[in-house]
Amino acid sequence: SQQGEEDPQALSIQEGENATMNCSYKTSINNLQWYRQNSGRGLVHLILIRSNEREKHSGRLRVTLDTSKKSSSLLITASRAADTASYFCATEGSGTYKYIFGTGTRLKVLA
Amino acid sequence: DTEVTQTPKHLVMGMTNKKSLKCEQHMGHRAMYWYKQKAKKPPELMFVYSYEKLSINESVPSRFSPECPNSSLLNLHLHALQPEDSALYLCASSQGNTIYFGEGSWLTVV
Repeated sequence: SQQGEEDPQALSIQEGENATMNCSYKTSINNLQWYRQNSGRGLVHLILIRSNEREKHSGRLRVTLDTSKKSSSLLITASRAADTASYFCATEGSGTYKYIFGTGTRLKVLA
Repeated sequence: DTEVTQTPKHLVMGMTNKKSLKCEQHMGHRAMYWYKQKAKKPPELMFVYSYEKLSINESVPSRFSPECPNSSLLNLHLHALQPEDSALYLCASSQGNTIYFGEGSWLTVV
């Protein structure tokens, strides 16, 4: 399966702390994306990092990509209770439209 | 308008019923998707339409039948489903590399 693995599966932190989640994938990619899903809702795109990029920032989000290790990490700084959600990485085989999602990390931020 | 609209939000159907899930986007996106998601699992790709033609079928059972009547609409026809098909069905569209998801249709098969 092309599906990526994410760890941890679940993460519980206090408000104000940083949250880091990791994604590993199996095949070569053009880009890797991170999505967020609130319970029982649709997924929302957070950030995309291309295969020739190593790090990208968007607000409180920082994404890194290591293509040699086939891994990526998502850091959420100064977390808020509203960040409570599941976070998924997604990869696509070259131009195929075949977006495959990782197993996901369930983040809980305690107020 | 970055919206993908799915109807109905909830559907309960018997194993002998025929029903349809509907999806609409007006962003001019040429790729549209159906994903299935079980509780605490990632979305699983079912079908991809590109320029109104079916381009990917991830070995989905024939009791699920997709249809793309035009570039804005995507349907998923359901017939003779099993209780294990109960899940959240997500429609999505994409332009470039960003996928836009609808809120999903919760399907319960009884």
